[in-house]
Amino acid sequence: AQKVTQAQTEISVVEKEDVTLDCVYETRDTTYYLFWYKQPPSGELVFLIRRNSFDEQNEISGRYSWNFQKSTSSFNFTITASQVVDSAVYFCALSELKGNTPLVFGKGTRLSVIA
Amino acid sequence: GAVVSQHPSWVICKSGTSVKIECRSLDFQATTMFWYRQFPKQSLMLMATSNEGSKATYEQGVEKDKFLINHASLTLSTLTVTSAHPEDSSFYICSASAGTSVYNEQFFGPGTRLTVL
Repeated sequence: AQKVTQAQTEISVVEKEDVTLDCVYETRDTTYYLFWYKQPPSGELVFLIRRNSFDEQNEISGRYSWNFQKSTSSFNFTITASQVVDSAVYFCALSELKGNTPLVFGKGTRLSVIA
Repeated sequence: GAVVSQHPSWVICKSGTSVKIECRSLDFQATTMFWYRQFPKQSLMLMATSNEGSKATYEQGVEKDKFLINHASLTLSTLTVTSAHPEDSSFYICSASAGTSVYNEQFFGPGTRLTVL
């Protein structure tokens, strides 16, 4: 069975600080997708990244970066120089490496960035 | 990315009434749609998987007679909450996928907030 663990329930940081959100996953599949989504107070999920299990290269997109380590089954997300607009709930998720399989979500990490 | 819409965005109803939520893929054909439910301050939990033209597959613990899912076309799936009760109040989110290819992405709708009084 697939499982995603986000151990950090809530994090508060002061604006401009860097923050890392942890994600650990379990799966018996040898190939899979990993995701991060942002959920602001409006509720709509905002897609941030999809990474397949073949690609262990770290990725950077502006202030966002992701560290995928297959050896530790982790897919951590770092926000550099955090801003108030980054305040949201962030979900890590996992799915099979197919287009029509559902996502298994972690419980989410609520990030509060204080001005 | 592709667009998935949901209607209504929010709905308030009385206990015992039925509510229909629509999920539409606006610019692609969705062979598979998923329905998730999110209670306040909790994660998204899969309720059911819906393939066009066939019966939905429900997750354990989800009552198929209470949550009726219809996926009659490649662009529309509906979720009907029958005889809604306050404990059904939740945020319902659908997602849609164009197929089985590893290149096919899954796109989420904006969600429908249901409040049952």
